Parts: sequence; structure tokens; C-alpha cells
Amino acid sequence: AIQLTQSPSSLSASVGDRVTITCRASQGISSALAWYQQKPGKAPKLLIYDASSLESGVPSRFSGSGSGTDFTLTISSLQPEDFATYYCQQFNSYPPVYTFGQGTKLEIK
Amino acid sequence: QLQLQESGSGLVKPSQTLSLTCAVSGGSISSGGYSWSWIRQPPGKGLEWIGYIYHSGSTYYNPSLKSRVTISVDRSKNQFSLKLSSVTAADTAVYYCARASPMTFDYWGQGTLVTVSS
Repeated sequence: AIQLTQSPSSLSASVGDRVTITCRASQGISSALAWYQQKPGKAPKLLIYDASSLESGVPSRFSGSGSGTDFTLTISSLQPEDFATYYCQQFNSYPPVYTFGQGTKLEIK
Repeated sequence: QLQLQESGSGLVKPSQTLSLTCAVSGGSISSGGYSWSWIRQPPGKGLEWIGYIYHSGSTYYNPSLKSRVTISVDRSKNQFSLKLSSVTAADTAVYYCARASPMTFDYWGQGTLVTVSS
């Protein structure tokens, strides 16, 4: 089964900072990767799909890139509401399973 | 606007069966191109996909849980359900239902906490 490894596991940053989170797949997955934001007590929210497509309504400071095995989520200028946990996720057709990364907690410095 | 709402028992005894239902509103569960999943999150931990049912009724489960999971659909009520048998404390988690379109989860329920305890 394909595994996703996120780095770092946690990150401290300040408002206005540029932040990058990485997700590495154990084997190539083309561009079939999504990113989610989760705040405490809330369901995850889809930010990016197909590695680099911005979900409707998501601020443009969020961007995604990568293909194959290495992917990144970038927040260009952190806002107070961006402090949350971020997860990457992939779908593999054979067998048809979904896998999440272990998460990256973004905290205020 | 599509909405999903989980319901079911919040407390289950060890060795018993966990049962949850996800009611879908604002859209039909029979719409083609989508699958309907259950995902869980133990307290303070990450997300684990449990399984999904496709609009056709086909099901696929996480291999790690496959022997204990059943997902079914009730199209007349526009809802789908999860049964997880032989639960232990390790099954304590917030359980989410979600729609996948089809590779990403674009709509989620708010989640329901299920505690396994005697």
C-alpha cells in the first residue's frame, strides 16, 4: 500500500511568514494528491486537489505543487486563521484505497 | 448545498458492534460519479479512511479493517451506514462521513465521537 510521509510533523511560524509543508509518497502517484486543513473540533476542509488545483472559495495564498512522489503545500503569507493541522491525501485505484499523511501541525511562534 | 450528518450511538461496549448513519441532504446519494466514505480520527491522532460505498452499491474497505466493516446504503432515505464489529478501545474516535468526487473528499459531516468503554 502507498504511504504518505509529511514533513515537518509540526512547525512554528509567525503571521506574514511563507510556509511550506512537504508530502512524500512511497511510490509515484502522478498528481492524485489533495491537501486538507483541520481546525480543532472541526472536520477537515479541502484546500487543494489534483496536487495544484485550488478548491473553490479557498484563498489564493494557498498553493500546491508536485507530481510523482514529492508534493508541497505553500502558504504565501500566513494569516491568523491559518494556524491548524494540515493533511495530504491520495487515492490509489488498485486497490481502491485512500491514504492520509500523518499531519503537520502549524502553530503560532 | 450538500450536507452530511452523522448519527448513532456515542458509547459502545467492547466486543459489540458500532453502528452509525450518515444522512445526506441537498443532493442525491445515487448521483453518479461519487462515492460515500467513512473516515475516523482517534483523539489527538490523524485521519484513517475506513471504507466507501459507490453510488452503484459497490463497497471497498481499508484492508486493516476489512474483516470487521460493513458499509451499506439506503437510497430511499438518502443515507448510508457503517457497522464495525468486535470493537475495542482502539476504535474510540471521531467518525466522519464524507463524499469523494471521486479522488478527494469535498464534503464532510461534522463528525461524531464514539467511545468504546464498558
